[in-house]
Amino acid sequence: AQTVTQSQPEMSVQEAETVTLSCTYDTSESDYYLFWYKQPPSRQMILVIRQEAYKQQNATENRFSVNFQKAAKSFSLKISDSQLGDAAMYFCAYRTYNTDKLIFGTGTRLQVFP
Amino acid sequence: EAEVAQSPRYKITEKSQAVAFWCDPISGHATLYWYRQILGQGPELLVQFQDESVVDDSQLPKDRFSAERLKGVDSTLKIQPAELGDSAMYLCASSRDRSGNTIYFGEGSWLTVV
Repeated sequence: AQTVTQSQPEMSVQEAETVTLSCTYDTSESDYYLFWYKQPPSRQMILVIRQEAYKQQNATENRFSVNFQKAAKSFSLKISDSQLGDAAMYFCAYRTYNTDKLIFGTGTRLQVFP
Repeated sequence: EAEVAQSPRYKITEKSQAVAFWCDPISGHATLYWYRQILGQGPELLVQFQDESVVDDSQLPKDRFSAERLKGVDSTLKIQPAELGDSAMYLCASSRDRSGNTIYFGEGSWLTVV
């Protein structure tokens, strides 16, 4: 069975600085997707960034980028130039090609200080 | 921008009572998901629909939970009877189809069982 592990329950960063959130996963499959979702307090979960496992190039979306290490089964999220609005719970998630089922980690609460 | 609509946002119910949650996915989205998110944990899939058919309900406690999507559009998740351990946020999500498209989440329905 696939599992997703986020070992950092909480992280903090100062505004304008860079922070990296860690995620590891376990799977025996070779084709899959990985995601980072952001869940602000009392707001809906929104997609931050996605990575297809067959792509070697790391995904980037504006200030958000990932470091995808397929062999190590590691998928970290880097937030550059952190903003107050980045404060939220961040969930790493895994999805197979076959089932479309999202498997989430336990989340990392990110605090951003001015 | 189209969103996944859920109601009610908050529900307090007594143990052993019945409770229902409603979800209206983004128009044209064939795949609909219900997730349960216990405080401090990541969401866990309860049931997945493709149009009006159940694709995966392996984690749905079928003795007390039921879900339907009769016309392949909106969906209802019911709990009867509610138990204290059912207190959680119930998230609805949808995607265009099962081919790896982005999954969009609603704001969730918070349930407190007293």
